[in-house]
Amino acid sequence: EDQVTQSPEALRLQEGESSSLNCSYTVSGLRGLFWYRQDPGKGPEFLFTLYSAGEEKEKERLKATLTKKESFLHITAPKPEDSATYLCAVQASGGSNYKLTFGKGTLLTVNP
Amino acid sequence: DTGVSQNPRHKITKRGQNVTFRCDPISEHNRLYWYRQTLGQGPEFLTYFQNEAQLEKSRLLSDRFSAERPKGSFSTLEIQRTEQGDSAMYLCASSSSSPNYGYTFGSGTRLTVV
Repeated sequence: EDQVTQSPEALRLQEGESSSLNCSYTVSGLRGLFWYRQDPGKGPEFLFTLYSAGEEKEKERLKATLTKKESFLHITAPKPEDSATYLCAVQASGGSNYKLTFGKGTLLTVNP
Repeated sequence: DTGVSQNPRHKITKRGQNVTFRCDPISEHNRLYWYRQTLGQGPEFLTYFQNEAQLEKSRLLSDRFSAERPKGSFSTLEIQRTEQGDSAMYLCASSSSSPNYGYTFGSGTRLTVV
């Protein structure tokens, strides 16, 4: 069974204090790893898809990286508006290859 | 196109009542998904449609749950005889079948069963 574990569960940063969120995964064959941002009371907002180990993608202050066992979401010089829950999900290759398996998320709070 | 639209945004119902939610996907997306999210958890897969065909239902979806997607357009999710454990955010997402694996989620319907 596919599994996704995110750490830490919650992270509090000062504005400008860079850090990383971790996503460890177990999947029979990885088709894609996804990062989403979710604000309170809203649906997840797509950030990145990573397909193979060594791949990196960037968007503004966010950079996602992928290894064979985990992914990191690096946040450089965060701002208060980056406060949200960040969700990681995997899509397996094979049968149910349309389904995403999500972790519980990391709640990020950036204080001004 | 304004993205994936879900209605209502909030629903409060008494235990034992039936409720129905609607999802309007992005028009060019032929794949539609329903997920459920409870507080402090990530979304959990419920069911998947390709066009009008429902291709998979999760074990989470008891017989009280039914979903439809007539004509491959909008979808409805109905819960019969609601229970307190059904209280959750119900999320709809859509995607194309070409190599775009980034699902687009709606804002969800928050169900509270009292």
